[in-house]
Amino acid sequence: GAVVSQHPSRVICKSGTSVKIECRSLDFQATTMFWYRQFPKQSLMLMATSNEGSKATYEQGVEKDKFLINHASLTLSTLTVTSAHPEDSSFYICSASGQTKNIQYFGAGTRLSVL
Amino acid sequence: AQSVTQPDIHITVSEGASLELRCNYSYGATPYLFWYVQSPGQGLQLLLKYFSGDTLVQGIKGFEAEFKRSQSSFNLRKPSVHWSDAAEYFCAVGAPYNQGGKLIFGQGTELSVKP
Repeated sequence: GAVVSQHPSRVICKSGTSVKIECRSLDFQATTMFWYRQFPKQSLMLMATSNEGSKATYEQGVEKDKFLINHASLTLSTLTVTSAHPEDSSFYICSASGQTKNIQYFGAGTRLSVL
Repeated sequence: AQSVTQPDIHITVSEGASLELRCNYSYGATPYLFWYVQSPGQGLQLLLKYFSGDTLVQGIKGFEAEFKRSQSSFNLRKPSVHWSDAAEYFCAVGAPYNQGGKLIFGQGTELSVKP
């Protein structure tokens, strides 16, 4: 149990375009979802926390207008990178927390490359 | 400030040898502690967790960890390493769900396994 699916696993886009990443909890209701960014050989940096039906809470230094997060249902959260630029290229990982509320279950990540 | 320190960036052990990965934390209250493993290009898999109770916790894949409050440590151990254990290991400290449930990750320890 506690499977989190993240899609797409890899995306390449042109500078200036927007990219949407989906995070789904497949077998549990995710009341809270988290979005992380990971640079090569580095740890995970929390970008934002989203609760179903509420606005996301962004960490300091994360541009909320660039990284749009929607958590419209108990099984789906999306991260949209708007007007992507090469510096947004990174590995983005989502996690979800549900019934066992103090445990986060992670998706497989999305490798974003902006040309 | 809350933080997690993994002093070893990279460790190499021989297959069949024992393993200990170090983790020290700084947290104002009783911490929720986690060890996650990440294979290249993948998300994170939960190995084990400590919330309360017995300070020696067992996890998946033969791993265990011991919470030592006096040393602010939560070291991960395995008696006999397998080649498939080669991966990146992250220690994390988490806030309770009713306090946001955020995780703070250490920098990670990359484990290499020699044949």
